[in-house]
Amino acid sequence: AQTVTQSQPEMSVQEAETVTLSCTYDTSESDYYLFWYKQPPSRQMILVIRQEAYKQQNATENRFSVNFQKAAKSFSLKISDSQLGDAAMYFCAYRIPSAGNMLTFGGGTRLMVKP
Amino acid sequence: EAQVTQNPRYLITVTGKKLTVTCSQNMNHEYMSWYRQDPGLGLRQIYYSMNVEVTDKGDVPEGYKVSRKEKRNFPLILESPSPNQTSLYFCASSPKPQGTYGYTFGSGTRLTVV
Repeated sequence: AQTVTQSQPEMSVQEAETVTLSCTYDTSESDYYLFWYKQPPSRQMILVIRQEAYKQQNATENRFSVNFQKAAKSFSLKISDSQLGDAAMYFCAYRIPSAGNMLTFGGGTRLMVKP
Repeated sequence: EAQVTQNPRYLITVTGKKLTVTCSQNMNHEYMSWYRQDPGLGLRQIYYSMNVEVTDKGDVPEGYKVSRKEKRNFPLILESPSPNQTSLYFCASSPKPQGTYGYTFGSGTRLTVV
C-alpha cells in the first residue's frame, strides 16, 4: 500500500527560529509529486510547497524549503524565521500518476510557535 | 474570486437521516474529489471525479455516494449516516489530475452524526 508517514505529531519552535518537519513515504514508482499543505485553525487547506520527484533541486518558497532525498524517500519541510502565523497543522502528501493521481496524505504535524 | 464552495459549514444530524453536502467550483476544473479528515489519519479520499459523469471510489467510499452531472458541482450524499461518519469533510478540485497541480480545497464541513 502507498503510505505517507509524519512521525512527529507535534512540534514547537520559538518565534524567529528554524524548524524542520519530517515526512517519509513509500512507493515503488519513479514518477510522483510531493506536497506540503498547511491547515491553520480556520481549517482551510493551503498549499505551501510542491516538488516533482524527477527534479533534484529542492523547492523553495520564501521562508519554506524542502529537503528531498529520493533514495531515502524523505521529504522534510524547513520553515525559517518562524512567525506566529505559521502555527498550524502541516500535512505532507504525494500524488502518483500511475495510481489514479489520488493525493495521499500523512497524519499531520501540529506546529506551535512560541512568542 | 476562484474558489471551491462547500455547504453547509457545520451539520448535526441523526443516524439514518439522508443528507447532502454540496460542493461547487468556479474554476472550470476537470478533477474534483471528496476527502474526510480524522485525527491522526490525515485526509483520506472518499470519491473522485475525472470529469462530468466520470466518478470512482477512493480509499474509504463505504456509506457515501457522489454524482457529477455538471462540471462545477460534485455533491456528497450520505443516504443513511452513521456515527462513524462523524468527521470533517473537504471537497477539492484541480485543473487536471496530472502533474504538480495542487488541489484547491473548500472550507470544510464539520459533520456530527448522533
